[in-house]
Order: sequence, then structure tokens, then C-alpha cells
Amino acid sequence: EAQVTQNPRYLITVTGKKLTVTCSQNMNHEYMSWYRQDPGLGLRQIYYSMNVEVTDKGDVPEGYKVSRKEKRNFPLILESPSPNQTSLYFCASTAPSYEQYFGPGTRLTVT
Amino acid sequence: GQNIDQPTEMTATEGAIVQINCTYQTSGFNGLFWYQQHAGEAPTFLSYNVLDGLEEKGRFSSFLSRSKGYSYLLLKELQMKDSASYLCAAYSGAGSYQLTFGKGTKLSVIP
Repeated sequence: EAQVTQNPRYLITVTGKKLTVTCSQNMNHEYMSWYRQDPGLGLRQIYYSMNVEVTDKGDVPEGYKVSRKEKRNFPLILESPSPNQTSLYFCASTAPSYEQYFGPGTRLTVT
Repeated sequence: GQNIDQPTEMTATEGAIVQINCTYQTSGFNGLFWYQQHAGEAPTFLSYNVLDGLEEKGRFSSFLSRSKGYSYLLLKELQMKDSASYLCAAYSGAGSYQLTFGKGTKLSVIP
């Protein structure tokens, strides 16, 4: 079954404690991306990757890092989380047809 | 960057037709996506328009006018399960694969 998985699904953490949200896809897609969704602001792109070792900033990259060492995985790293990074995060993988598959989401709370 | 506008909320009656508009202002544009997002769930892909004109997929159709910076999603024979948020997103393309979303239109289908 074609899918995008994210872990963890829910996370409560404290300011400054480094965390990683994993994202994996089993469709051999080259293009992957991360978004955050906040009430009243909609979905905003954080980072995207066009292929292994190729990443670029989206609209709101500050405070985040990503890596793409393998095609299937695209982890999102928060080196020093702050309360303004409390949000719902989605990873997505895009087929050559441009059809985009989203993961189930990770709800992050930073206290 | 991109600026995407769509109505915040709409209400329509079961069995009717509804049109959700989206306007965009761009500095680089490759195509326009539409997604459906039910409350508490991840977005799901509906359509991607690159060329001007109407594309039909069952009860859903999407239209694009590149010269006017305008798109719409047309939903026919509305069903209660169509109650959801509908997101339009502009894809910059041409070396930059940024995807910018509108804030979404919350559609309520009433009996």
C-alpha cells in the first residue's frame, strides 16, 4: 500500500529540547516536503527536497532543519524548539504526476 | 512569493452545485493544486491544473485561467461527506519547487 508515515503522531516537549520528526514514503518519489498548519494561517511549507541531498527552504524555514540522505526518508529536526513551533506538522511526498500524498500529521506541543 | 486568496467559509445544500474560487498573485507560477481536508485529517489531493481550461474528475472539476490568476473548484451533486475545507495552492516550478497554500475554504453542506 502506497503511504507516507510520520512519527511520532503526538509529542509534548519542553523549550530547547532537540527533537526529530521522522517521515518515510514507500513510493520511490523524488520530491518530499514538510508543512505546518496553524489555525487562521493555513498550511505553510517549511522545507522541500527535490532528491537525495537536495533540499531548499519553503516559506517558514526558521528554526527547522531537514536532511535527505535516502530517497525514502525526510526527517524534520527542531534543534531548539520554542513555543511558537507548537503546531500540526505534515510531511508529503509527490509523484511525477504531481499527485501529492500526505502523512497523517504530527501534533507537536512545546511548553 | 505567492499570494493566494479564497473565501473563508461557504454553505451549500445537499444535491446542489458549489463553486469555490481562488485567486493568486505570483512571482513565478507553474500550476494550481486543489486539496480536500476533513477536520482532524491530512489533506488529500483533488487536482492539479497546468493549462488553462476545465478538467473534470467525476463530481469534481477544476478550472484555471493563467492570464487572470484565477482558479475554481466546482463540486456537483453535493453530499454531506463533502463538508470539509478546500485548499488551493500555487506551485512556483521553474527551478523553485515552492508550494504556497491559501488559508482554505470551509464548506458546510446542509440537508
